[in-house]
Amino acid sequence: NAGVTQTPKFQVLKTGQSMTLQCAQDMNHNSMYWYRQDPGMGLRLIYYSASEGTTDKGEVPNGYNVSRLNKREFSLRLESAAPSQTSVYFCASRRGRGENPSYEQYFGPGTRLTVT
Amino acid sequence: GDSVTQMEGPVTLSEEAFLTINCTYTATGYPSLFWYVQYPGEGLQLLLKATKADDKGSNKGFEATYRKETTSFHLEKGSVQVSDSAVYFCALSAPSGAGSYQLTFGKGTKLSVIP
Repeated sequence: NAGVTQTPKFQVLKTGQSMTLQCAQDMNHNSMYWYRQDPGMGLRLIYYSASEGTTDKGEVPNGYNVSRLNKREFSLRLESAAPSQTSVYFCASRRGRGENPSYEQYFGPGTRLTVT
Repeated sequence: GDSVTQMEGPVTLSEEAFLTINCTYTATGYPSLFWYVQYPGEGLQLLLKATKADDKGSNKGFEATYRKETTSFHLEKGSVQVSDSAVYFCALSAPSGAGSYQLTFGKGTKLSVIP
């Protein structure tokens, strides 16, 4: 099993450009998540999807959109990148939906994005 | 809302020293508690977890006990190694409004172990 995979690993954008970060998991998990990690801020939730066909906003959704393409894939789109979106982005997945709080999340290796 | 507070770093220790990283939380209901570790250039991976009061999670020599009375989940290791150098995140899992569970993270504590 590859677990959670993310592409690309690195990306540099100019202000105003758009791009899509891809995430896929092969663990048959229902829930998927997008986080950003900034120095001294920990991880902050951008969007999540509790199951195929549903998405919900997290703590910091502004400037982002998501698509749960199927059970395996969950993409994050920046429509018009801004320097404030320079960050490391992590995708994660988790089995189940609301039945057990003890299930852990599994993380991908991250995408390092720089917006100039 | 839910929150996690962990001691700020960075923490620098000599090999074989004792490690404690403090973590306290605020949550409604009864969360599950986690410690995740992030090695340089990698994603987060689960280190240990506890799901109810007085549970002790343990893995790779690390331990943490779920203390409901003090709302704490401190991470300890008796003898650290250079290979333990990483960033450690305390987190809690609580229900979201959409029928799923979200993780709320602390800001992370960077540990450096020197030979």
